[in-house]
Amino acid sequence: DAGVIQSPRHEVTEMGQEVTLRCKPISGHNSLFWYRQTMMRGLELLIYFNNNVPIDDSGMPEDRFSAKMPNASFSTLKIQPSEPRDSAVYFCASSLRPAGTNEKLFFGSGTQLSVL
Amino acid sequence: GDSVTQMEGPVTLSEEAFLTINCTYTATGYPSLFWYVQYPGEGLQLLLKATKADDKGSNKGFEATYRKETTSFHLEKGSVQVSDSAVYFCALFVGYSTLTFGKGTMLLVSP
Repeated sequence: DAGVIQSPRHEVTEMGQEVTLRCKPISGHNSLFWYRQTMMRGLELLIYFNNNVPIDDSGMPEDRFSAKMPNASFSTLKIQPSEPRDSAVYFCASSLRPAGTNEKLFFGSGTQLSVL
Repeated sequence: GDSVTQMEGPVTLSEEAFLTINCTYTATGYPSLFWYVQYPGEGLQLLLKATKADDKGSNKGFEATYRKETTSFHLEKGSVQVSDSAVYFCALFVGYSTLTFGKGTMLLVSP
């Protein structure tokens, strides 16, 4: 299996622009997670889905952030409008078993976002 | 709420030195405990886990023992290599929740 695939690997944009991050989970996995990693705050869970349904989005920092999972093989995280403080590495992860069942997570390589 | 506290890094060692990275936790229930590793430019990957008290997780020469009495899960390796340079995350899981990660500890191993 190719693992969790994220795109793009790097994104540089200007403040106010819309940013869309993409994720393809491992085939057959039932849960998908979006994390943000910064030096100051470490690894933060933003949102997670079970069977394509958003379960908990309490980690999404503001209404500027939104995430969708239209099918089992694709998810997006959108920031509109972007701000410099959104600069971070964004990880997508998937797991075979539903979140809340002692799942093992498989992480993608991340998207390094820089908002100027 | 549930939380994980790790020692701050970076931890700087010479090759073949002994490694300990401390991890303590606070949990409302009876957690499972994990160590994840993040190599440069990559996502996290599971290194080892333990699901009950006194269990020892091990992988790639790394070990950690679930100590309920001290609420700890310290990571150890007897002889580190340059290729072990990475960020190490301690994490816990309590039923009907998701993983709670610590802030990570960077390990730098020099030849």
